[in-house]
Amino acid sequence: AQTVTQSQPEMSVQEAETVTLSCTYDTSENNYYLFWYKQPPSRQMILVIRQEAYKQQNATENRFSVNFQKAAKSFSLKISDSQLGDTAMYFCAFGAQGGSEKLVFGKGTKLTVNP
Amino acid sequence: GAGVSQTPSNKVTEKGKYVELRCDPISGHTALYWYRQSLGQGPEFLIYFQGTGAADDSGLPNDRFFAVRPEGSVSTLKIQRTERGDSAVYLCASSPSSGGGPDTQYFGPGTRLTVL
Repeated sequence: AQTVTQSQPEMSVQEAETVTLSCTYDTSENNYYLFWYKQPPSRQMILVIRQEAYKQQNATENRFSVNFQKAAKSFSLKISDSQLGDTAMYFCAFGAQGGSEKLVFGKGTKLTVNP
Repeated sequence: GAGVSQTPSNKVTEKGKYVELRCDPISGHTALYWYRQSLGQGPEFLIYFQGTGAADDSGLPNDRFFAVRPEGSVSTLKIQRTERGDSAVYLCASSPSSGGGPDTQYFGPGTRLTVL
């Protein structure tokens, strides 16, 4: 079974600065996808970024980028130029290719951006 | 276009009662998922539909939980004989995936269930 670990329950950053959220996972699968989702207080989960394991290049989406280290089974999220609206819970998730399309989530990191 | 909607947004019930939670996926999305999120935790998978059929129901905790998607669109999660431990936010998600891999899942706002 796959597991996802987020070792930072809470983090804070000053507005306009950069912050990195950590995620590690455990799997015996070779083909899979990784996701970062944001959940603001409104509860709506919003996709931040996704990475296909077969791609060498790290995914980027505007101010959001990942550092994907397949051998180390690490998938960290970097947020540049942090904004107050980035304040939210961030969840790392794993999805295996083939079979069930369920996602396995970590416990989340609560990020607070301070003015 | 319209996103995933869930009703009700909040549901308070008494122990032992029956509840139904509804999910309206994004139009055209063939895949639908239910997750349960307890306080301070990440979402936990319950069941996955591909069209009308449950492709994976391995996450349902026991036989008190059941879900249907009779026409391949709207889904209902049904919980019988509710227990206090069922209190959580129930999230629904849909994706355009046809079974070839974990496509991006689009989530609804959730239903917060409280069992007194």
